[in-house]
Amino acid sequence: DGGITQSPKYLFRKEGQNVTLSCEQNLNHDAMYWYRQDPGQGLRLIYYSQIVNDFQKGDIAEGYSVSREKKESFPLTVTSAQKNPTAFYLCASSIDHTTRPQHFGDGTRLSIL
Amino acid sequence: DAKTTQPPSMDCAEGRAANLPCNHSTISGNEYVYWYRQIHSQGPQYIIHGLKNNETNEMASLIITEDRKSSTLILPHATLRDTAVYYCIVRVEGDYKLSFGAGTTVTVRA
Repeated sequence: DGGITQSPKYLFRKEGQNVTLSCEQNLNHDAMYWYRQDPGQGLRLIYYSQIVNDFQKGDIAEGYSVSREKKESFPLTVTSAQKNPTAFYLCASSIDHTTRPQHFGDGTRLSIL
Repeated sequence: DAKTTQPPSMDCAEGRAANLPCNHSTISGNEYVYWYRQIHSQGPQYIIHGLKNNETNEMASLIITEDRKSSTLILPHATLRDTAVYYCIVRVEGDYKLSFGAGTTVTVRA
């Protein structure tokens, strides 16, 4: 089945450690996105990519980094510079970034030890 | 993007239609209305979207008023699995971002 796979589902990070969240899609979508969701709040855009080897900062990019070396993959690294990384991270993709809907993975919940 | 207003919560009886309202009185001509839902601890699920015409798919129907200032999402036969937070979002064509508000918590009761 086509879809978006995020792994791991749960992730724990020690203080000062970088961690990478995986996002893979087999929908042949050009555009991919990373959002962050905090308890009881809406989603906030971290980064997005319209095409391979290109990505743009969203509203809250500080402390995060991404790469888009393959169409299928858009990993997100949460760096030690992100002071409040505990959140639910959601990856999405869409055929393009116009009116086509974004489809989401099931998320990764990151916690700090 | 135009802001949306949704009731914070609503209950629905299993097997009955669920009608979820959304106000977007400041919507502009090039903004689409999208509906998503999110079940606890899962990613949001796309339901339907439209510009000005009513839309229907296998999940739901979207009714947009003629002046486009409000819309209603209709789940024709609600089941317990439809219990979720439902989000109404308006988005400009070409905008890369979805802006989720607080949504409506829908509880389907047996």
